Amino acid sequence: EVQLLESGGGLVQPGGSLRLSCAASGFTFTSYAMTWVRQAPGKGLQWVSTITGSGVGTYYADSLKGRFTISRDNSRDTLYLQMNSLRAEDTAVYYCAQGPMTRGFDPWGQGTLVTVSS
Amino acid sequence: QSALTQPASVSGSPGQSITISCTGSSSDVGGYNYVSWYQQHPGKAPKLVIYEVNNRPSGVPDRFSGSKSGNTASLTISGLQAEDEADYYCSTYTSSSTVIFGGGAKLTVL
Repeated sequence: EVQLLESGGGLVQPGGSLRLSCAASGFTFTSYAMTWVRQAPGKGLQWVSTITGSGVGTYYADSLKGRFTISRDNSRDTLYLQMNSLRAEDTAVYYCAQGPMTRGFDPWGQGTLVTVSS
Repeated sequence: QSALTQPASVSGSPGQSITISCTGSSSDVGGYNYVSWYQQHPGKAPKLVIYEVNNRPSGVPDRFSGSKSGNTASLTISGLQAEDEADYYCSTYTSSSTVIFGGGAKLTVL
């Protein structure tokens, strides 16, 4: 069974940094692109970033480029999202999901909440 | 890039059929057969119900179907059931090598 378990969320001050992790199991991690999607409280879904299975290709939402960095450690079956210069509007539940940008994201983890506030 | 346009809400009675539309542009919905649909129940993670316009992942009932015409994609749920009440989001790949979502449609089963 495919499982994705996010961690690393929490309360951070504006301007601060946070690194999210997503531990994967139940599939050959290196064979799959992986994605981060976020959802602000009471709002819709927003695609954040996707990384190819090898880690060579990375793609970002234009509004987040330069502040967020996606990466993966295929030896640890773990996906990461480094978030810098955080703003209040980055407050959201961050989900990791399996899949490339073209074929739909499936499955999703349970999400981790990031709150940016002073 | 702007979000795809979905109705804010749709409703139907048990057993009926409903359709949720998702409108974009020739740079996204109209340009690629990479439209996906997600179902999200309150407090839960989204679940993929349709990918590549009209394909169902394993385990998704055949009551769920997708289609596309020009710049508008549609999700149809037939034989509506109480458990179908949820938020539904469309998404698509774009010409900028990004993904955009619709604003979401809340389905109410009357």
